[in-house]
Amino acid sequence: GIQVEQSPPDLILQEGANSTLRCNFSDSVNNLQWFHQNPWGQLINLFYIPSGTKQNGRLSATTVATERYSLLYISSSQTTDSGVYFCAVHTGNQFYFGTGTSLTVIP
Amino acid sequence: DTEVTQTPKHLVMGMTNKKSLKCEQHMGHRAMYWYKQKAKKPPELMFVYSYEKLSINESVPSRFSPECPNSSLLNLHLHALQPEDSALYLCASSHVPGAEAFFGQGTRLTVV
Repeated sequence: GIQVEQSPPDLILQEGANSTLRCNFSDSVNNLQWFHQNPWGQLINLFYIPSGTKQNGRLSATTVATERYSLLYISSSQTTDSGVYFCAVHTGNQFYFGTGTSLTVIP
Repeated sequence: DTEVTQTPKHLVMGMTNKKSLKCEQHMGHRAMYWYKQKAKKPPELMFVYSYEKLSINESVPSRFSPECPNSSLLNLHLHALQPEDSALYLCASSHVPGAEAFFGQGTRLTVV
């Protein structure tokens, strides 16, 4: 099956810092989503991005499908950004999650 | 409205119990999914329902039995579970299979 690897696995930032999270996938995909899982387990949709770049406030995402990767940028990080970030790739009728990046933002 | 509602939020059950998890959406989505997530791991796909029919079963043990009574509702029936089945169970839906998915808050299950 498709392999989806995220890096780094863990990241600690000072509040106000910027960061880039990466998602690599091993095969062609139909689409890709980025999620933020909060400490209570809720998965929050960030981006649905098959290709190109999208921006939403302090967050932006870029997917380069031909090179099988996606990037999530977080600027001016806040403590509320803490949690686990997952990418999920869509193939056929299902989608599979990456390994996740655990982000901690300290004040 | 992109709400997927899961009940209960927490469940503790014995190994001989029978219980059910419920997932509901009113967005007109025709694909619904069950995922299982262990601590510090990504969610793992269990089942996919497409137009109320089971389309994918990721080799899940028969002690987990999914049911889709109508296009808005998805159940997961649990019977004779093991302590290692304790996990966060997440439900999701999408407009059609493979489209953008939206998740419920999850049911945190503990098997004792």
